[in-house]
Amino acid sequence: AQSVTQPDIHITVSEGASLELRCNYSYGATPYLFWYVQSPGQGLQLLLKYFSGDTLVQGIKGFEAEFKRSQSSFNLRKPSVHWSDAAEYFCAVGARAGNNRKLIWGLGTSLAVNP
Amino acid sequence: DAGVTQSPTHLIKTRGQQVTLRCSPKSGHDTVSWYQQALGQGPQFIFQYYEEEERQRGNFPDRFSGHQFPNYSSELNVNALLLGDSALYLCASSPTGMNTEAFFGQGTRLTVV
Repeated sequence: AQSVTQPDIHITVSEGASLELRCNYSYGATPYLFWYVQSPGQGLQLLLKYFSGDTLVQGIKGFEAEFKRSQSSFNLRKPSVHWSDAAEYFCAVGARAGNNRKLIWGLGTSLAVNP
Repeated sequence: DAGVTQSPTHLIKTRGQQVTLRCSPKSGHDTVSWYQQALGQGPQFIFQYYEEEERQRGNFPDRFSGHQFPNYSSELNVNALLLGDSALYLCASSPTGMNTEAFFGQGTRLTVV
């Protein structure tokens, strides 16, 4: 079955510290992988995506993610966290839906940033 | 470009009532997907519309139905509302294709009392 697991429900880091949010997926074919961020009262914003090619993907706001097929993982990283990064982060896999894709989501990781 | 717009932003309904939520996709996008996000959970796929037809459906009962209009806008209808239907309903639009990115609206917060 297709699924996405985000093992960490809640993470707290200090401002300026590095960050890694974990994501593991289960998908039979080549995965299309996404990280979205959701701030309070806001919609979902795409941080980055992996379709193919270079397994290290750069995104917006200084985020990057690395696709590791052998570990079925797509972890999100940022070298130095800012207070404005506090939000809910979702990993998703794009599963085939006819000629399009539907997104299968993890439960999310809530990030808190201490000053 | 207005992006994906959803209306209304908030809604309170009583159990047993019916509700209609609306979505206008981003310009140039012809595929609309609907997701339900319960509090503290990740979004769950409800269904996807393309060419005015429901193309894929998630694990939701028939009380959830939809429609897509010729201008690609879409409606989500929920009949016989239950307390458990209280959630944030998200609309996403994308161009047709396998290598496309979905853009999300701000969502409609539905509360069933």
